[in-house]
Amino acid sequence: GQSLEQPSEVTAVEGAIVQINCTYQTSGFYGLSWYQQHDGGAPTFLSYNGLDGLEETGRFSSFLSRSDSYGYLLLQELQMKDSASYFCAVRGGGYSTLTFGKGTMLLVSP
Amino acid sequence: NAGVTQTPKFQVLKTGQSMTLQCAQDMNHNSMYWYRQDPGMGLRLIYYSASEGTTDKGEVPNGYNVSRLNKREFSLRLESAAPSQTSVYFCASNGQINEKLFFGSGTQLSVL
Repeated sequence: GQSLEQPSEVTAVEGAIVQINCTYQTSGFYGLSWYQQHDGGAPTFLSYNGLDGLEETGRFSSFLSRSDSYGYLLLQELQMKDSASYFCAVRGGGYSTLTFGKGTMLLVSP
Repeated sequence: NAGVTQTPKFQVLKTGQSMTLQCAQDMNHNSMYWYRQDPGMGLRLIYYSASEGTTDKGEVPNGYNVSRLNKREFSLRLESAAPSQTSVYFCASNGQINEKLFFGSGTQLSVL
C-alpha cells in the first residue's frame, strides 16, 4: 500500500515563499503529483514529478528525491488566491490508482 | 467542453434510503474514479474503472456499488445510506497521463 505525510497547515504572508513537504511510503513508485483545492471547489492538478529534480511551472515548483522518498511544492510570490489546500499524491507499481495525502491547508495573509 | 459533470450537487437522505450519483466525462478518457472526501482525511478512493466494462474496488468500497455504463458515464450507488456515508463525493477521470486527474465539482451528501 501507500502512505503519505504532509503538514496539516502552513501560514505565510503575501509575497513570501512557502514550501510544503511530502514524504511517502509506497510499494513501487511512478511519481509524485500535487493538487490544489480551494474551499468548496474541486481538486485541480498542479504538477507531476516522475524523475528526481525540480519542475517549474510559473510561480509553482515541485521537487522530488526518490532516494529520500520525499518531495515538496514550492510556491513563490504568494498571493491571497493561493490560500487553498494542497495534496500530494503517489501512484504505486503496476496499474494502480492515485493515493492522496491528507492535505496541507495554506493560509496566506496580507 | 464541459469536462467532468456530476449530479446532483447536493443531496440529503434519510438512513436506509438509496440513491445514485451520476458522472459523465466528455474527454474520451478510459479511466474513471469515485473518491470521497471527509474533513482531515484527504481523498479516499471508493471504486474505479480502468476501462469501459471493468470496475475495481478502491480503499473504501463497503456500502457502495458502481456501474460503468459506457465510456462516458460512471455511476455510484448507495443501496442503503448510512450516516457514515455523509461526505463530499468527487468523480474523476484521466486520459494518457495517469497522474493527471480531472475532477467533477463534487456532490455534498448528508445522511440523517
